[in-house]
Amino acid sequence: AQSVTQPDIHITVSEGASLELRCNYSYGATPYLFWYVQSPGQGLQLLLKYFSGDTLVQGIKGFEAEFKRSQSSFNLRKPSVHWSDAAEYFCAVGAVTGGFKTIFGAGTRLFVKA
Amino acid sequence: DTGVSQNPRHKITKRGQNVTFRCDPISEHNRLYWYRQTLGQGPEFLTYFQNEAQLEKSRLLSDRFSAERPKGSFSTLEIQRTEQGDSAMYLCASSRVAGSYNEQFFGPGTRLTVL
Repeated sequence: AQSVTQPDIHITVSEGASLELRCNYSYGATPYLFWYVQSPGQGLQLLLKYFSGDTLVQGIKGFEAEFKRSQSSFNLRKPSVHWSDAAEYFCAVGAVTGGFKTIFGAGTRLFVKA
Repeated sequence: DTGVSQNPRHKITKRGQNVTFRCDPISEHNRLYWYRQTLGQGPEFLTYFQNEAQLEKSRLLSDRFSAERPKGSFSTLEIQRTEQGDSAMYLCASSRVAGSYNEQFFGPGTRLTVL
């Protein structure tokens, strides 16, 4: 069965420090992978996606993610975190069967300290 | 605004009442999805439509839940005899039908509180 695991429930980083959010997936074929961000009271905003090709994907707001098939991982990174990055981050896999629904991880809450 | 819209944004109801939510997808999108997000969790798939046909329903969608998309445009999600466990954010998403996987665009959600 398809699943997504985000091992860290919450992470705290200092403003200006680097960030890495972990994501592992379970999927039988080549996955379609996503990172979304959700601020309090807001909908989901797509940060970046991986469908095929270059395994290092660039997204909005200075985020990037690397697809590693051997590790079934799709970790999100940012070299320098801003206070406005504090939010909930969701990793997701697009399931090709059954209408292409999206399967989400439980999320990682990012706190940014001054 | 050409994004996905949902109404109402917030709904507070008493246990046992019926509620209905509306989703207006991006106009050229054929597929429409409903997800439920409870506190501290990621969104979970409920159901999806391709045009007006409801093609898949999750086991999470009990018989108290019904979704429609009568003309292949907007969709409604109704919950009958609400229970406190129904309290959640209900998210709608839409996507185009073309080839393989297509990105889903999400609306802002309807937050339901059942007292």
